[in-house]
Amino acid sequence: QSILTQPPSVSGAPGQRVTISCTGSSSNIGAGYDVHWYQQLPGTAPKLLIYGSNNRPSGVPDRFSGSKSGISASLAVTGLQAEDEADYYCQSYDSSLSGWVFGGGTKLTVL
Amino acid sequence: QVQLVQSGAEVKKPGASVKVSCKASGKTFTSFDINWVRQAAGQGLEWMGWVNPNSGNTGYAQKFQGRVTMTRNIAINTAYMELRSLRSDDTAVYYCARLNPGYYFDYWGQGTLVTVSS
Repeated sequence: QSILTQPPSVSGAPGQRVTISCTGSSSNIGAGYDVHWYQQLPGTAPKLLIYGSNNRPSGVPDRFSGSKSGISASLAVTGLQAEDEADYYCQSYDSSLSGWVFGGGTKLTVL
Repeated sequence: QVQLVQSGAEVKKPGASVKVSCKASGKTFTSFDINWVRQAAGQGLEWMGWVNPNSGNTGYAQKFQGRVTMTRNIAINTAYMELRSLRSDDTAVYYCARLNPGYYFDYWGQGTLVTVSS
């Protein structure tokens, strides 16, 4: 069971908007630690998608955005494209565990 | 551009040990912690621990303490992760990843499949 909770799956039609939630606790997201998001395409290593809750590395489309409030964070994907079909993971730091924690991952399906 | 290149796939018997390497390109090897993350088939990402290439200091997830050792060789820009007393549930892809000071993993290795089977 992951320290950060994500829905197992979300789906949307091309062009639509979907959001993926990430819920933590007072020792990680609620303690003020940033949330970061990764995209993992099948058979490949995770790729940094969003850092510092809502910053995109160079090359990541602005269709991807992040937000954080309280003990939760969200990743939004607008204008869904077939190439967005992948697994998405949130990540933060946990002070009780003195280490980094991931969500269980969410599979995004483009219908 | 930073690249992390990992060693090849391994097949081990239960009870054995495995040592995976992660070679970094560029001149910034000693400036960032190298972390190890594993992923069992069809499962999520699991953080294992870190090594500071400059000092050699390490930190491990409680689950792996006593069974994992992370080291580095500065001369060849390479970090290592050794896992001992392997069990079948250690079968996974093991990734090294560079930790940015912002507490996120900005560069990842390609992954190393470790299969534990009798």
